[in-house]
Amino acid sequence: SQTIHQWPATLVQPVGSPLSLECTVEGTSNPNLYWYRQAAGRGLQLLFYSVGIGQISSEVPQNLSASRPQDRQFILSSKKLLLSDSGFYLCAWSASIEQFFGPGTRLTVL
Amino acid sequence: KQEVTQIPAALSVPEGENLVLNCSFTDSAIYNLQWFRQDPGKGLTSLLLIQSSQREQTSGRLNASLDKSSGRSTLYIAASQPGDSATYLCAVFNAGNMLTFGGGTRLMVKP
Repeated sequence: SQTIHQWPATLVQPVGSPLSLECTVEGTSNPNLYWYRQAAGRGLQLLFYSVGIGQISSEVPQNLSASRPQDRQFILSSKKLLLSDSGFYLCAWSASIEQFFGPGTRLTVL
Repeated sequence: KQEVTQIPAALSVPEGENLVLNCSFTDSAIYNLQWFRQDPGKGLTSLLLIQSSQREQTSGRLNASLDKSSGRSTLYIAASQPGDSATYLCAVFNAGNMLTFGGGTRLMVKP
């Protein structure tokens, strides 16, 4: 069966510090991968998606970037965090239609 | 741009009640629709996927319907239990298989 992992589970970072969140999927090959953010009082927003290694599409302009160095690995990064980057970050995968989500990373920027 | 609205935003019911959660979307040219459950501080659990050609899907006590022409989907929960307490999210797919989410309905089932 397929499993999706995210780490860390929680993170507290100062403004201006770098960020790296990791997502890995097991039990499937060549999945579509997605990063979403859920900010306090706001709905889920798609940030990035990837249909293959090295292929990244961004949905919204922002302070973040994404990379897919391996088939089942998706990384969300920032060089300098802003207060507005705080939120709950969710990674998801799909093989065809249905999307499956990971446990999320709670990021607090102080 | 697709907009997805969920009503009500919050709902509190006594255990055992049947209930309906509503989801509406502005662009009826959707491909599929997915319902999720989110427990506090947790990720999303997929409940039901309704493909564009389908009108409903059922899983246990859950039944989801889709009416593309009116831009609506409903999630019916039969015989609600305290363990059903969570936030329920609906999301619609566009042509690129991207999801647009509603704001969610926070459900509380009281014993």
